[in-house]
Amino acid sequence: LAKTTQPISMDSYEGQEVNITCSHNNIATNDYITWYQQFPSQGPRFIIQGYKTKVTNEVASLFIPADRKSSTLSLPRVSLSDTAVYYCLVGDMRSSNTGKLIFGQGTTLQVKP
Amino acid sequence: GEEVAQTPKHLVRGEGQKAKLYCAPIKGHSYVFWYQQVLKNEFKFLISFQNENVFDETGMPKERFSAKCLPNSPCSLEIQATKLEDSAVYFCASSQSPGVETQYFGPGTRLLVL
Repeated sequence: LAKTTQPISMDSYEGQEVNITCSHNNIATNDYITWYQQFPSQGPRFIIQGYKTKVTNEVASLFIPADRKSSTLSLPRVSLSDTAVYYCLVGDMRSSNTGKLIFGQGTTLQVKP
Repeated sequence: GEEVAQTPKHLVRGEGQKAKLYCAPIKGHSYVFWYQQVLKNEFKFLISFQNENVFDETGMPKERFSAKCLPNSPCSLEIQATKLEDSAVYFCASSQSPGVETQYFGPGTRLLVL
């Protein structure tokens, strides 16, 4: 499984756009990129998933360059409630993947007023 | 139900005592996963089930940990003879299929071993 590297922490202010970049230099052809969010005292929650280019949903956007060696989670106009840990994961989409998620250390985002 | 339910929320055990945690997956989800979060951001996969069958147990400590998913019952994770290092938050997640399918996590059970 491709290892991921993210900044340990980031600070932002309410209303700003936040971009969290994840490196996955040895990502394989069969790998998808998925981001989860974890609030204090809660389980992780799926945010977004993609394979290449750009994916957007109601919560975030995910930008993946052509070489797929990194990905950037973009959160538009963050609020205090976006304070959480954000995990970038890489998973094999082949049927042999049993689905176990391999979490890295994540990025702790602190949004300030 | 529409959410993964885990009980109890908190569990305190003395070293050597047994601990049993429960998980009810989302209705219709065939796959259940157990994870252990020891330090703030460190997750460890333990075991997964496809219905009542063990699907992947590569992360499961063999000696003191066991798990079951029986029909019409919540899944369970049991730790015999708990040790201090078992203190962690145990999360259960469920999904409709394995692979890159989204997993839905429960709120976790915080186990404290004294």
